[in-house]
Amino acid sequence: GENVEQHPSTLSVQEGDSAVIKCTYSDSASNYFPWYKQELGKRPQLIIDIRSNVGEKKDQRIAVTLNKTAKHFSLHITETQPEDSAVYFCAARYSSASKIIFGSGTRLSIRP
Amino acid sequence: EAGVAQSPRYKIIEKRQSVAFWCNPISGHATLYWYQQILGQGPKLLIQFQNNGVVDDSQLPKDRFSAERLKGVDSTLKIQPAKLEDSAVYLCASSLTGHTTEAFFGQGTRLTVV
Repeated sequence: GENVEQHPSTLSVQEGDSAVIKCTYSDSASNYFPWYKQELGKRPQLIIDIRSNVGEKKDQRIAVTLNKTAKHFSLHITETQPEDSAVYFCAARYSSASKIIFGSGTRLSIRP
Repeated sequence: EAGVAQSPRYKIIEKRQSVAFWCNPISGHATLYWYQQILGQGPKLLIQFQNNGVVDDSQLPKDRFSAERLKGVDSTLKIQPAKLEDSAVYLCASSLTGHTTEAFFGQGTRLTVV
């Protein structure tokens, strides 16, 4: 079925270190993969997205990689800062009805 | 540009009561989504509209939930009757089209059923 698996569910890293969150999807026809950041009590906000015609995209300290063959995509945050602490959700847009399915989220904590 | 507007922000009702949520998407956005986010979980898609037509409602508990998007703009989501397990944040989102475009979320309505 239509599913997005995300791991880990929680991640704690030292400030300045890198954080990696991984997701897998089930529909090989999926063509759009956004990542959202949700701070406590706030709405999810898009931080980066990638389309199926590219393998990697970078925006300052954030990068996303996509492996279409393995149906994996990952979020990489380098030089982490306290303000990176939040819950991060990966998502995939499934070709059937173009609906966006979310992963279960990763709670990222940055240790000072 | 103005964002996705939702109201109310908070609602507390007793089980078996009815409740309705309202969403006004970003102007010009054809696609509108309603998600249910239970505490500690990812958003779960309930229903997706393209203009005023339903594209997907496979996860909508149709015995108690209903939604409409008259005139292809504003949308309402109703629960009747509510159950304790309906306690969640209900998020509305919109996107320009249903393809590779960003979905913008509203602030959500936090529903508590007691």
